[in-house]
Amino acid sequence: NAGVTQTPKFQVLKTGQSMTLQCAQDMNHEYMSWYRQDPGMGLRLIHYSVGAGITDQGEVPNGYNVSRSTTEDFPLRLLSAAPSQTSVYFCATSLGELAGGPGQFFGPGTRLTVL
Amino acid sequence: GENVGLHLPTLSVQEGDNSIINCAYSNSASDYFIWYKQESGKGPQFIIDIRSNMDKRQGQRVTVLLNKTVKHLSLQIAATQPGDSAVYFCAENQGAQKLVFGQGTRLTINP
Repeated sequence: NAGVTQTPKFQVLKTGQSMTLQCAQDMNHEYMSWYRQDPGMGLRLIHYSVGAGITDQGEVPNGYNVSRSTTEDFPLRLLSAAPSQTSVYFCATSLGELAGGPGQFFGPGTRLTVL
Repeated sequence: GENVGLHLPTLSVQEGDNSIINCAYSNSASDYFIWYKQESGKGPQFIIDIRSNMDKRQGQRVTVLLNKTVKHLSLQIAATQPGDSAVYFCAENQGAQKLVFGQGTRLTINP
C-alpha cells in the first residue's frame, strides 16, 4: 500500500516547455487535489476532482490543466512553463467530500524549477 | 517592496515548555478548521481539527482553540519535544474540496 505517490521528485524546465506531473493513489479515494507551495507560504489549491471524469478549478488554476480518467491517477499538466510556476507541487487525496482532516493524505511533493 | 511571504513567522521555545501557535482565518462562513505539521521536504501531516460548533478540542499533547468572534485559531502543544520542530499551518475549509491554508509558523525547539 503506497498511499499517494508523485513523480518526478525534482524537475527543471526552461520557459515555454510543457510537462506533466504525475500523481497516483492506491486508496480508492474519490477526491483528489493539486496544490502548489511557494517559499514561506501555505499551500494553494490549483485544481481538484470529485471523481473520475469530473474536475474543477481551485484558487490558482491558470497555466495548468488536469484530467481524471481513472480513480487512481490525477496528472497535472503545465502547458507552457513560466518562472512564476517555480514551486513545490503536492497532490492530495481525500476520503470524504469535506477536504482536510484525518481523511486527507498528501503526497511527498514535486519540486519544480522553471528557468 | 519586501515580499513578506518569504519570511515565515518563527516561534522558539525551550524543550519541555508549552508552545502556542496562532492563526487568523479569513472567511466567517468557514465551519471546519484543521492544523497541519510540515517537516522539511515532506507534505503536510494532519494534527487536529475542529468544527465551528466547538470552541476547544483536545488530542494527544495538542489542543486547538477556536474564537469565531475574532476569527482566530490557536494550537497549543504541551511539553514540546525536539520532534515537534516543523512548520505548522492552519487551514480552513471554505466548502467541499476548497481548503485554504494560512502562511505558517516555524517552530524551533531549544535544548
